[in-house]
Amino acid sequence: EAGVTQSPTHLIKTRGQQATLRCSPISGHTSVYWYQQALGLGLQFLLWYDEGEERNRGNFPPRFSGRQFPNYSSELNVNALELEDSALYLCASSLAMGARYNEQFFGPGTRLTVL
Amino acid sequence: GNSVTQMEGPVTLSEEAFLTINCTYTATGYPSLFWYVQYPGEGLQLLLKATKADDKGSNKGFEATYRKETTSFHLEKGSVQVSDSAVYFCALGYGGATNKLIFGTGTLLAVQP
Repeated sequence: EAGVTQSPTHLIKTRGQQATLRCSPISGHTSVYWYQQALGLGLQFLLWYDEGEERNRGNFPPRFSGRQFPNYSSELNVNALELEDSALYLCASSLAMGARYNEQFFGPGTRLTVL
Repeated sequence: GNSVTQMEGPVTLSEEAFLTINCTYTATGYPSLFWYVQYPGEGLQLLLKATKADDKGSNKGFEATYRKETTSFHLEKGSVQVSDSAVYFCALGYGGATNKLIFGTGTLLAVQP
């Protein structure tokens, strides 16, 4: 069974540009999560999508946005890139949301570098 | 708010040494607790988990016990190998409307032959 996949592996942009990162969840998973792993800051929760809806959002500015498509894949968009957006962006997927926590499975990440 | 604190790294050990990485948490209610491992250049892999107090998670020789009285989930391994060199993250998670993982800052483990 294929795991969570992310593309591209690496992305280099300049300040002010927009970046689009993509994620395909494990088959059967309807929830997709995005996390930012910036150097020295650990992993920070960004966004959670389930069944096409944004369910929860971390403490990030509105220029971080995303969406989930009918096939449950997801896009993360970062507008007006700043140098501090340079980070590894990890996507995770899980089974549908429910009362109990559902284990999240992580992809390999997209390394975004802003010059 | 909810948070996870884990010991600063790097932790440098010789092969076959005993490993402890401390993790404590602050949380309301009854979260699940996790240890994730990140090998160089890779994403996160779930190493072990515990879903309620006094549960012991174990995998690949690693163990951690969910201690509610001390709000801790320390990671231990009796004999580390060079291949265990990685960054280890402690995390807590809730279900329901929150359903996100809250991570510690990570601890780099370097095992020398």
